[in-house]
Amino acid sequence: GAVVSQHPSRVICKSGTSVKIECRSLDFQATTMFWYRQFPKQSLMLMATSNEGSKATYEQGVEKDKFLINHASLTLSTLTVTSAHPEDSSFYICSARVLGQGNTEAFFGQGTRLTVV
Amino acid sequence: GESVGLHLPTLSVQEGDNSIINCAYSNSASDYFIWYKQESGKGPQFIIDIRSNMDKRQGQRVTVLLNKTVKHLSLQIAATQPGDSAVYFCAETPNYGQNFVFGPGTRLSVLP
Repeated sequence: GAVVSQHPSRVICKSGTSVKIECRSLDFQATTMFWYRQFPKQSLMLMATSNEGSKATYEQGVEKDKFLINHASLTLSTLTVTSAHPEDSSFYICSARVLGQGNTEAFFGQGTRLTVV
Repeated sequence: GESVGLHLPTLSVQEGDNSIINCAYSNSASDYFIWYKQESGKGPQFIIDIRSNMDKRQGQRVTVLLNKTVKHLSLQIAATQPGDSAVYFCAETPNYGQNFVFGPGTRLSVLP
């Protein structure tokens, strides 16, 4: 099946710094990728939809200036957490769907555990 | 599972027994559903999917049932094994190409 690779898997950063998370579709092209955040013992919550070559669409309550999304190619989307604070500590997960083939499953990256100290 | 927040519903089953995990979805327009399994510290893994024009689909040891009348989805796991221990999420999507909306999740614990 299709593979989505996410990097890094784990990162610790100091408050006030920025962290970039990469999401790559390894064997298919993804015009759309999705970024989720998951707090402990909770479900996945959609943060934003990343569209190749255009601006991302953010869910209500998600600050677009804090969570910068860039989808510069059909195989790469990045999420940058700017000026990170401890409350940004979470598990961030990206996903992509193989579009153009009817309804299909979403393939997920391995996730990135962000800890802000 | 009906709770959200810090307390995932937990289902404990004996190894070898069958498991049934339930999910209520909210959007009557949803037309495609997936069950995902998530192990600790990992991203969700696809288990099985079902489209709204079906009410049952079977895979290897797993069966998904869809009841559109009451907006209910269930996952049945036959002969549950220790490796099945994980959190299970149902996910729905109402529109082609759009993101999935995840249910609150159920933790499955397999007892030896």
